[in-house]
Amino acid sequence: SQKIEQNSEALNIQEGKTATLTCNYTNYSPAYLQWYRQDPGRGPVFLLLIRENEKEKRKERLKVTFDTTLKQSLFHITASQPADSATYLCALPNQAGTALIFGKGTTLSVSS
Amino acid sequence: NAGVMQNPRHLVRRRGQEARLRCSPMKGHSHVYWYRQLPEEGLKFMVYLQKENIIDESGMPKERFSAEFPKEGPSILRIQQVVRGDSAAYFCASSPPGTSGGAGTDTQYFGPGTRLTVL
Repeated sequence: SQKIEQNSEALNIQEGKTATLTCNYTNYSPAYLQWYRQDPGRGPVFLLLIRENEKEKRKERLKVTFDTTLKQSLFHITASQPADSATYLCALPNQAGTALIFGKGTTLSVSS
Repeated sequence: NAGVMQNPRHLVRRRGQEARLRCSPMKGHSHVYWYRQLPEEGLKFMVYLQKENIIDESGMPKERFSAEFPKEGPSILRIQQVVRGDSAAYFCASSPPGTSGGAGTDTQYFGPGTRLTVL
């Protein structure tokens, strides 16, 4: 079955630095990969989707890469701010395309 | 355009009671997904429904859990005879119809969740 691992449960960085989060997956080749943000007590919010034929995607201060050979996605937040503090979830479609499989998330804390 | 709505936001039940969780998808969305998030664990898929049809219930426990998405009204996730292990946050997500086949689009829009506590 498909497995997703996000490299660390928690990441602490200083304001202004670049945060880099890692998502690794095994056992199949998804057509796309998504990143969501979740704040405490709230539902996940969609951030970015990157398809298997795209190497990189950007949205404002966010950048996502997708390496289908390494089976890995990197999620970068440049010029990080305390408001970026949240849990970031990586998600892939299941093989049937009927659901998303989520990683456990990485909790980012940005200190001023 | 209102987002996905879930109610109640918090639900307390005693062991053996029934829990009913409601989800109203975004306007124009015909695909609904239910996920469960246990403390310290990730989101786990439970069931995927379209209007009046269950498309994939592979993540749903075989007993006590059921889901529906009627022609009119919200989607309902029903848990009968709740046990302490059912305590979790239950999230509903919706997506609009896709451009091919009957599947929803790739991006799912989540509601705020219902936090179920079983005493």
